[in-house]
Amino acid sequence: ELKVEQNPLFLSMQEGKNYTIYCNYSTTSDRLYWYRQDPGKSLESLFVLLSNGAVKQEGRLMASLDTKARLSTLHITAAVHDLSATYFCAVDKGGSEKLVFGKGTKLTVNP
Amino acid sequence: NAGVTQTPKFQVLKTGQSMTLQCAQDMNHNSMYWYRQDPGMGLRLIYYSASEGTTDKGEVPNGYNVSRLNKREFSLRLESAAPSQTSVYFCASSGRLAGGLEQYFGPGTRLTVT
Repeated sequence: ELKVEQNPLFLSMQEGKNYTIYCNYSTTSDRLYWYRQDPGKSLESLFVLLSNGAVKQEGRLMASLDTKARLSTLHITAAVHDLSATYFCAVDKGGSEKLVFGKGTKLTVNP
Repeated sequence: NAGVTQTPKFQVLKTGQSMTLQCAQDMNHNSMYWYRQDPGMGLRLIYYSASEGTTDKGEVPNGYNVSRLNKREFSLRLESAAPSQTSVYFCASSGRLAGGLEQYFGPGTRLTVT
């Protein structure tokens, strides 16, 4: 059974600081996804990582994938308040059209 | 292009009542999904449909039924609501893009069962 674990589950950080969210998964997969959810809203796709070593960046967020370590990271650079949200990673359950989600990391960026 | 739409947005039910949550997508996707989201639990798959006329159980199917009415529409039915079904329900659809699974979510239905 595919399991996806994120840590930390809660993260409170100051504006201007850097931090990394980790996503570990239990079985082989080459495809990993990051989503953002604002309070009371739906999920929005952030990054799609499709191979070992893939790196994607948008603004202050950078995601990477190491399929050998079964690990993806979401790195936040010089955080700003607008990045406050819950971030989910999800792994493609190979051979099916299903995703398995982590429990999410609730990020709060304080002024 | 509306993407994925869901109705209703909010619903309050009494224990034992039934209701159907509606979902439609206009992206011509084959695959559609129903998830529930509970605090601290992330998203859990209730049911999945790979194409019109096919459905498959997900992680938490008990107490729910689904119908894939056509390619656009996928409904979720609670036959006898229970307080444990209080949750936020998201419908999603997906298509393959460059080898990856692009999944799009509806706005959600906030259901309270008293």
